[in-house]
Amino acid sequence: QQQVKQSPQSLIVQKGGISIINCAYENTAFDYFPWYQQFPGKGPALLIAIRPDVSEKKEGRFTISFNKSAKQFSLHIMDSQPGDSATYFCAAGTGGFKTIFGAGTRLFVKA
Amino acid sequence: KAGVTQTPRYLIKTRGQQVTLSCSPISGHRSVSWYQQTPGQGLQFLFEYFSETQRNKGNFPGRFSGRQFSNSRSEMNVSTLELGDSALYLCASSLEGLGETQYFGPGTRLLVL
Repeated sequence: QQQVKQSPQSLIVQKGGISIINCAYENTAFDYFPWYQQFPGKGPALLIAIRPDVSEKKEGRFTISFNKSAKQFSLHIMDSQPGDSATYFCAAGTGGFKTIFGAGTRLFVKA
Repeated sequence: KAGVTQTPRYLIKTRGQQVTLSCSPISGHRSVSWYQQTPGQGLQFLFEYFSETQRNKGNFPGRFSGRQFSNSRSEMNVSTLELGDSALYLCASSLEGLGETQYFGPGTRLLVL
């Protein structure tokens, strides 16, 4: 009930393509769904986050799609660039309780 | 504002030793959390401190402990180190708690020989 399942484990995308990473959760108490981006040698940094009262949130080339009934959410990176090559973590949390992270997706964007 | 800082950045210890890692949160942030990151297990939550009190705890043995000071700075201690403790230890801070954005430090990379 506390798991967040993330897929795929790794992803290779051509420059200009769309990168899609999916996550699924079980605990309906979660009400905060952030995505973090981590470059080698750095800590994770918040990329974009969504609350369950909306089905989609877009910030630049990054979009979160949220399906409350299916308990799934996904990150779409449009026009993927080599600089987007990093590890991406989805997470789920609720106020006052620990945030559960997905296992991570290593994205490589080929130039 | 300065970000989350962690010291030291790298550490090499031997089995059986103990280690103390330090974290300074973003100014004004009262919640400090610690995570262990390994290639095989991803990001694992260790514990969270808020106003000098441990508020949440993950599933780690008692060898892992922490504390928070009145200025919100936090330390994490690992006693009787094991080879499996080799990992990147990340500290994250937030204004009030875990259900909001976590701001991560660069981490301390610990190698246990």
